[in-house]
Amino acid sequence: KQEVTQIPAALSVPEGENLVLNCSFTDSAIYNLQWFRQDPGKGLTSLLLIQSSQREQTSGRLNASLDKSSGRSTLYIAASQPGDSATYLCAVYNNNDMRFGAGTRLTVKP
Amino acid sequence: NAGVTQTPKFQVLKTGQSMTLQCAQDMNHEYMSWYRQDPGMGLRLIHYSVGAGITDQGEVPNGYNVSRSTTEDFPLRLLSAAPSQTSVYFCASSWPRGSPQETQYFGPGTRLLVL
Repeated sequence: KQEVTQIPAALSVPEGENLVLNCSFTDSAIYNLQWFRQDPGKGLTSLLLIQSSQREQTSGRLNASLDKSSGRSTLYIAASQPGDSATYLCAVYNNNDMRFGAGTRLTVKP
Repeated sequence: NAGVTQTPKFQVLKTGQSMTLQCAQDMNHEYMSWYRQDPGMGLRLIHYSVGAGITDQGEVPNGYNVSRSTTEDFPLRLLSAAPSQTSVYFCASSWPRGSPQETQYFGPGTRLLVL
């Protein structure tokens, strides 16, 4: 059974800092891995999707990496801003089944 | 496109009552799914559908029923609500089907409180 873990559960940083969020999974048989952002009381917004054959994806200040062999992914956020404050969820997808981590709650202080 | 829409936004039920959570998408996506999100836990898959007339169970299906009569709609039914079903429910659709690029699109969620 696929299990997804995100560390840390919560993170608080000053504005402008670069930061890394971690995601690990137990079964390397995945189609893809997605990183989502969730604002309080809202739905999920897809940030980046990494296909199983890819090693990384970039969008603006965000860079996500994938190492299937070790069951790890990281989300790198450069030059963090207060508007980045949210919960970040990673999810792995395979064969109609998407498994989520519990998320990292990020606070960026002005 | 409205994307994925869910109604109601918030609902309070008494134990034993039944209700239907509505979900609709206007993107012509074949795959739709329902998740629940509980505090401190990630989203967990309840049921999913790969097309009209086809549904299957996810990780936590007990206490829930689904049907898919059209591509657009995928309602979730609680037959006899229990306090353990207090949660936030998300509906999602995905595209392109069966591709490594398959991306999930989520609705805004329904907050359910069972007393």
